[in-house]
Amino acid sequence: EVQVVESGGGLVQPGRSLRLSCTASGFTFGDYALSWVRQAPGKGLEWVGFIRSKAYGGTTEYAASVKGRFTISRDDSKSIAYLQMDSLKTEDTDVYYCTRGQYGDGYYIDVWGKGTTVTVSS
Amino acid sequence: QSVLTQPPSVSAAPGQKVTISCSGSSSNIGNNYVSWYQQLPGTAPKLLIYDNNKRPSGIPDRFSGSKSGTSATLGITGLQTGDEADYYCGTWDSSLSSGPYVFGTGTKITVL
Repeated sequence: EVQVVESGGGLVQPGRSLRLSCTASGFTFGDYALSWVRQAPGKGLEWVGFIRSKAYGGTTEYAASVKGRFTISRDDSKSIAYLQMDSLKTEDTDVYYCTRGQYGDGYYIDVWGKGTTVTVSS
Repeated sequence: QSVLTQPPSVSAAPGQKVTISCSGSSSNIGNNYVSWYQQLPGTAPKLLIYDNNKRPSGIPDRFSGSKSGTSATLGITGLQTGDEADYYCGTWDSSLSSGPYVFGTGTKITVL
């Protein structure tokens, strides 16, 4: 079964850091882009950023709201992607979804994890 | 504030047809392919439509997508109570004000 599973969420104080992990199974991890999407309670989806596969340079892109604070990385040997979140703000309190990206004619997200909750509060 | 605008809510009776619009600009929908996602209450989103009008395996043909200019539309025919969910469009965006990928504001479908 193709799936991605997030872990590492929890309660963290403003200004501190937290690292989320995304463990994939059921597919060749290194062939795909991995992205993170977040959602505040009762709100819409916000794309956080993604990392391309090594075949496409393994480069990253970020939403303007997190650029410079969040870093996405990947370890293809372990089928794990990471979201390093630094200088956290209360407005970063969200459910964070790990997702798999696909390239058809365009880019789309075809696999979603169940999400992990991050709460930023003093 | 998303750059893709959707109506906040749409409602219809079982068996009816509904459409959800997703309005953007030349920096996103106008020059990129659109996908649609369904989020049932309390669950993670799921891919419904990709590349404007293609359905992944397992998605019934009651769901359809289209695109014209800087707008896209999701259609659902034969509405069922199980279709009550939030629906989001998504596409690539080349402006610097958001992220390279953006979602719409979301539309809640209520089955009367």
